[in-house]
Amino acid sequence: DIVLTQSPATLSVTPGESVSLSCRASQGISTSIHWYQQKSNESPRLLIKYASQSISGIPSRFSGSGSGTDFTLSINRVESEDFSVYYCQQSYSLPLTFGSGTKLEIK
Amino acid sequence: EVQLQESGPGLVKPSQSLSLTCSVTGYSITSNYWGWIRKFPGNKMEWMGYISYSGSTSYNPSLKSRISITRDTSKNQFFLQLNSVTTEDTATYYCARTIWYYFDYWGQGVMVTVSS
Repeated sequence: DIVLTQSPATLSVTPGESVSLSCRASQGISTSIHWYQQKSNESPRLLIKYASQSISGIPSRFSGSGSGTDFTLSINRVESEDFSVYYCQQSYSLPLTFGSGTKLEIK
Repeated sequence: EVQLQESGPGLVKPSQSLSLTCSVTGYSITSNYWGWIRKFPGNKMEWMGYISYSGSTSYNPSLKSRISITRDTSKNQFFLQLNSVTTEDTATYYCARTIWYYFDYWGQGVMVTVSS
């Protein structure tokens, strides 16, 4: 199985700061990574597909980059509604796997 | 708009079977793939499996022979059955539309506790 390692586990920031969340794959997966946001008591929401492709309805402050084994989700100027947990997920091979998540919290 | 809604018992006894239904509106399950994902206490997420537009299935090997995903196209529903559950199967279960192996629409989730 492909293991996805997300770092950091928790990131404390002040609204208005820009942040980068990391996801590293245990083997090369091209750009087959997708990012989700999950707010407390809600279902996950797709933010970015295939490493960098935007999703309709998602604010433009969210962007993704990377290929191979290293991927980044960037949030430009974090807003209060962005404080939640972020997951990466690979679709390169079955079984589909998720990272352990990064919690973005208010400093 | 595509909407998914899970339903089923919130409490299951150990060794029994867990059965959940996902009702889909706004889109036919005879197109694309339809999957089950669960989130354990502590935030770990696990893909369980999917059923395709044709009715073929794929499962996470970690679940071995305990899992079955079926469907009723006349009701636009698909189902999860997980046999021989233990306390380690306590989780929130989500159904989701699967597009090229990522998940673009999710249900709201149903929390299932395995306890005697």
